[in-house]
Amino acid sequence: EADIYQTPRYLVIGTGKKITLECSQTMGHDKMYWYQQDPGMELHLIHYSYGVNSTEKGDLSSESTVSRIRTEHFPLTLESARPSHTSQYLCASSEPGSHQPQHFGDGTRLSIL
Amino acid sequence: DQQVKQNSPSLSVQEGRISILNCDYTNSMFDYFLWYKKYPAEGPTFLISISSIKDKNEDGRFTVFLNKSAKHLSLHIVPSQPGDSAVYFCAATLYQGGKLIFGQGTELSVKP
Repeated sequence: EADIYQTPRYLVIGTGKKITLECSQTMGHDKMYWYQQDPGMELHLIHYSYGVNSTEKGDLSSESTVSRIRTEHFPLTLESARPSHTSQYLCASSEPGSHQPQHFGDGTRLSIL
Repeated sequence: DQQVKQNSPSLSVQEGRISILNCDYTNSMFDYFLWYKKYPAEGPTFLISISSIKDKNEDGRFTVFLNKSAKHLSLHIVPSQPGDSAVYFCAATLYQGGKLIFGQGTELSVKP
């Protein structure tokens, strides 16, 4: 089972602040993903990475940015948070191969006041 | 346009009975389908998957059926247990991208 960790679990913060959501995995997975989910809705892919120094935007447009300097670490940054960014953010990783299941962290629930 | 749809937001089943969760998709290029289970305040966990070249895959109490002509898949849980109460997400993937497209989820409640 993959070990993937997200911090913080919950964050309530004011508009205009810079936010970084952390995601780390200990399984050495090359592929990592960020999803955004609103209550009762589907998960939407916002960013993904297939390895170090590789990042791509997902299917849902997002004002956030990501970086992949180390295999195990895939942080997501919002330069200036707005109330529209309020959502749950889920990080995942998977082994190489197109049909490997993704393993998810427990998410960060973000509220922007 | 939503490519993966779970039209039932919720389902309630008695313990010991069968739970059937349904999922429809529109893209005939999807070649792999997965089911995830999600408890509150936790991330989704992988449950079972099926390749588009198969019509059934079974793992213990969980069986997934795929009907390609109808673009429909279903997850059967039998017998259902109270611990199965969770939100179940259907997801599909295209070979080229490997990215998952999720449905909205169905909340299953198994009552003792």
